[in-house]
Amino acid sequence: DAMVIQNPRYQVTQFGKPVTLSCSQTLNHNVMYWYQQKSSQAPKLLFHYYDKDFNNEADTPDNFQSRRPNTSFCFLDIRSPGLGDAAMYLCATSREVSIQETQYFGPGTRLLVL
Amino acid sequence: KQEVTQIPAALSVPEGENLVLNCSFTDSAIYNLQWFRQDPGKGLTSLLLIQSSQREQTSGRLNASLDKSSGRSTLYIAASQPGDSATYLCAVGGSNYKLTFGKGTLLTVNP
Repeated sequence: DAMVIQNPRYQVTQFGKPVTLSCSQTLNHNVMYWYQQKSSQAPKLLFHYYDKDFNNEADTPDNFQSRRPNTSFCFLDIRSPGLGDAAMYLCATSREVSIQETQYFGPGTRLLVL
Repeated sequence: KQEVTQIPAALSVPEGENLVLNCSFTDSAIYNLQWFRQDPGKGLTSLLLIQSSQREQTSGRLNASLDKSSGRSTLYIAASQPGDSATYLCAVGGSNYKLTFGKGTLLTVNP
């Protein structure tokens, strides 16, 4: 009965080799978020989609892109991963873009860059 | 810019002890505050959500309090168990709908 699913759970890529992380949800929520969490650090919001509207955080590097082909799926593309991009990537969903709404998190994908 | 601090960074207690985790935030104009649990290598699980108009929320052995004016929240865990071992993160919700997280407190409950 998983509600927010992330694949793969672990991803190893090479320096500069494009990589895509996947998130899917069974909650039919309008909003999907991507966070980056480095070791022992707070999760940092990269961007979010409200339906098909993409909202980028001002300090998210251009190296990070996202796609949301439908309500259920959202992808995080890292065009040219650097060593500093090694982190846990967390996907979350909420019903609406409202601070009253709880965000539901997936299990995360741990990215290792060699 | 909102900043969230959690103290201590790590805490180790014997099983059965009651404990308190602390969270402080710099901007008191918040909409709500959430406490999350994160197991090693896993995602976040929401434990308690306190709206800005509320003073506390309880769920089982967990009780979270909120004092907006002083910019503080505490998470009280009663009769701790080894299964409570995890990182506990505090996140503050502001008017821009975004969550600002603290770095978390790593809790270890020893049998």
